[in-house]
Amino acid sequence: GENVEQHPSTLSVQEGDSAVIKCTYSDSASNYFPWYKQELGKGPQLIIDIRSNVGEKKDQRIAVTLNKTAKHFSLHITETQPEDSAVYFCAASIRTGANNLFFGTGTRLTVIP
Amino acid sequence: DADVTQTPRNRITKTGKRIMLECSQTKGHDRMYWYRQDPGLGLRLIYYSFDVKDINKGEISDGYSVSRQAQAKFSLSLESAIPNQTALYFCATSARGQGTDTQYFGPGTRLTVL
Repeated sequence: GENVEQHPSTLSVQEGDSAVIKCTYSDSASNYFPWYKQELGKGPQLIIDIRSNVGEKKDQRIAVTLNKTAKHFSLHITETQPEDSAVYFCAASIRTGANNLFFGTGTRLTVIP
Repeated sequence: DADVTQTPRNRITKTGKRIMLECSQTKGHDRMYWYRQDPGLGLRLIYYSFDVKDINKGEISDGYSVSRQAQAKFSLSLESAIPNQTALYFCATSARGQGTDTQYFGPGTRLTVL
């Protein structure tokens, strides 16, 4: 099955700086890559996703890049704010069939005011 | 997401007891999932259901069973709980069809098995 690795496990940045979280996947058939944000005491919430026919997608301060050849994708958060502090998970799936998500192990982001 | 609710939110039980975790959704989605979250391991899929008559095992189904009582309800049971089933459990839903990959998660149930 799919194996998703995520780095780093913890990340601290100063408010206003950028944060980058990286993931790699093993199954070349995977074609859907969402990113979830989990705040304390809550379930994960989708913040951005990308499909394999696109190399980059941006939504305000958040962007995701995908390199299919290298089988890695990254989350970029610019101008970080304290409310960005949370645990972030990447995931990968094959959109046909079961469409099951395989998650990375998470990155705890702390934005220091 | 308030459209996906889980009960109970917290549960402490003893080894050997039978436990049921419940999930309800008002999103009208066909697909429902149960995940387990452990520190440092991310989320792992236990079972998933594409409709009332379709139940499938996920990555870590041993020791668990599920019931899809209706389109909106999906329950997870631990027939005989053991301490290594102590974890945070999440229910999720998604719609069927192209371009509907997003999974929406409930708030989670924290289960402790003593």
